[in-house]
Amino acid sequence: RKEVEQDPGPFNVPEGATVAFNCTYSNSASQSFFWYRQDCRKEPKLLMSVYSSGNEDGRFTAQLNRASQYISLLIRDSKLSDSATYLCAVLSSASKIIFGSGTRLSIRP
Amino acid sequence: EAGVTQFPSHSVIEKGQTVTLRCDPISGHDNLYWYRRVMGKEIKFLLHFVKESKQDESGMPNNRFLAERTGGTYSTLKVQPAELEDSGVYFCASSQSRLAGGTYEQYFGPGTRLTVT
Repeated sequence: RKEVEQDPGPFNVPEGATVAFNCTYSNSASQSFFWYRQDCRKEPKLLMSVYSSGNEDGRFTAQLNRASQYISLLIRDSKLSDSATYLCAVLSSASKIIFGSGTRLSIRP
Repeated sequence: EAGVTQFPSHSVIEKGQTVTLRCDPISGHDNLYWYRRVMGKEIKFLLHFVKESKQDESGMPNNRFLAERTGGTYSTLKVQPAELEDSGVYFCASSQSRLAGGTYEQYFGPGTRLTVT
């Protein structure tokens, strides 16, 4: 079983729709969680950290469920520019990030 | 503020040759990390420097890979001799020290695409 698992998608949704991704992690001792966005042939860019209380940044909302060991990302009012691969990332120790394989999102006009 | 930079952006070498990748972290970031993505796989951790010291090198594939960070500024990752399976994108990331008020957030460079033929 992978340490961090994501649905690879692709998710193909119309502009303006709301879309949500989940990610599960296996190490219950994990402390820090992130969502990164990666465009084709580019580096991962930090989208947001995920806090226990949940956090929101504009159209993006991240939630953490420690009991079930999953994190989620909700994108509201999706834009064409949101098309990318979204990487779930879990800090497994003070140093290494464990990445999921990514969820591909495609927003259509 | 300048981000993490990496050089070269692309490198094509033959099996058995040597390649050295360079990473310049964000200024003031004590933590520097190397990651690698091979075709069709997840991004995987290679190692972590705190200043010039190797904190965790558990992800290094084998002894053909040598990472250094002399002086605690930029880092190099040398592959010698390169093998076909070393092909992939090598990312560098940096983060600020927690003691300096930083978080665990890591910021990635654009990567070096290495092709071994």
